[in-house]
Amino acid sequence: GAGVSQSPSNKVTEKGKDVELRCDPISGHTALYWYRQRLGQGLEFLIYFQGNSAPDKSGLPSDRFSAERTGESVSTLTIQRTQQEDSAVYLCASSLRQGQPQHFGDGTRLSIL
Amino acid sequence: QQQVKQSPQSLIVQKGGISIINCAYENTAFDYFPWYQQFPGKGPALLIAIRPDVSEKKEGRFTISFNKSAKQFSLHIMDSQPGDSATYFCAPGFQKLVFGTGTRLLVSP
Repeated sequence: GAGVSQSPSNKVTEKGKDVELRCDPISGHTALYWYRQRLGQGLEFLIYFQGNSAPDKSGLPSDRFSAERTGESVSTLTIQRTQQEDSAVYLCASSLRQGQPQHFGDGTRLSIL
Repeated sequence: QQQVKQSPQSLIVQKGGISIINCAYENTAFDYFPWYQQFPGKGPALLIAIRPDVSEKKEGRFTISFNKSAKQFSLHIMDSQPGDSATYFCAPGFQKLVFGTGTRLLVSP
């Protein structure tokens, strides 16, 4: 399809394990964003990539969280040594460029046992 | 800290009625004011958005009203339908969006 694709759609893991979440943005979109949505709450900004510029990591909650993006394509969000409070839906969005409307994927629902 | 306050938290409207959701923000640097609609299990979808150089924008049954001096904007859904039942988020921003806490709308048949 032509939309933002995220995988896996669901992930259950044990506390202390590392997890990797993937986002495939819309082709041609130079900006990519990661958000976290806890149950019944709004979206929290995590990190933002724009082209080849240094990413804006100001929303990452701890050094256990990191993200990479290869060029203007796929991005991965990695959470090391997962904690129960990391349980949430992780959403990815892309936009044609910075400041343009963001288009969201359906997220990865992460559950930490 | 960038505060975005959305109200009400939940709203029940009869079919055919008008749904009104409000959003107040603090950061005067914001230059983009969107509303997103989210259904359970899905990502948010852009519904309608406005730039600060206009005070109102209408797209079909959906209208944004923007009050720059009051730092507020609102979403009006005319002739509300059961299919509009969803969670709505305001998300004003500049380079990145700051999401409100959401409004759960239920349109009763």
